[in-house]
Amino acid sequence: EADIYQTPRYLVIGTGKKITLECSQTMGHDKMYWYQQDPGMELHLIHYSYGVNSTEKGDLSSESTVSRIRTEHFPLTLESARPSHTSQYLCASSDGLAELYEQYFGPGTRLTVT
Amino acid sequence: KNQVEQSPQSLIILEGKNCTLQCNYTVSPFSNLRWYKQDTGRGPVSLTIMTFSENTKSNGRYTATLDADTKQSSLHITASQLSDSASYICVVSDRGSTLGRLYFGRGTQLTVWP
Repeated sequence: EADIYQTPRYLVIGTGKKITLECSQTMGHDKMYWYQQDPGMELHLIHYSYGVNSTEKGDLSSESTVSRIRTEHFPLTLESARPSHTSQYLCASSDGLAELYEQYFGPGTRLTVT
Repeated sequence: KNQVEQSPQSLIILEGKNCTLQCNYTVSPFSNLRWYKQDTGRGPVSLTIMTFSENTKSNGRYTATLDADTKQSSLHITASQLSDSASYICVVSDRGSTLGRLYFGRGTQLTVWP
């Protein structure tokens, strides 16, 4: 099993709250990714990082932000949660570029905004 | 438009039976094709990765095939077990001129009944 962790696993929060979803990996991977997945739908890339102090937006526009201060840590923050942010958020990492190397996924955070 | 289409959307089989899941893609240029297994409430786990030159790859009871000419892939599961119940996701990687990306299918939801 991949050594990539996400907390919390489940989060129910009210509209307007600030939240941070945590993601950590112990594999020393430079490349890390955040995906959003709705039930029965495909994964959409919302953020990625190729190393410390490197962050980029993905294919799906998201109001969330990310930071990469340490190699092993890639948190995602929503400044003001809205019901439209309700979704599953998956963190992943890879030893090289995702399109060439295997990606390892965390267990995900199921976010519900009421 | 680059796309990945999977069929069937859902499938129910009895324990011990075999099944085949399909994936058609229009992604170009092609780099590799992956099959992932995603248990409910968990992150995807890689089953196989195939490049252009590979037309079959096995991982235990899972066998993936690739026809790069017709842009089709299949995942065959032999002697199904209850633990095979999951969503199976086909992912195709391109290798564009500057930066590649991954294209995700919506998955086939497999249910194995005792």
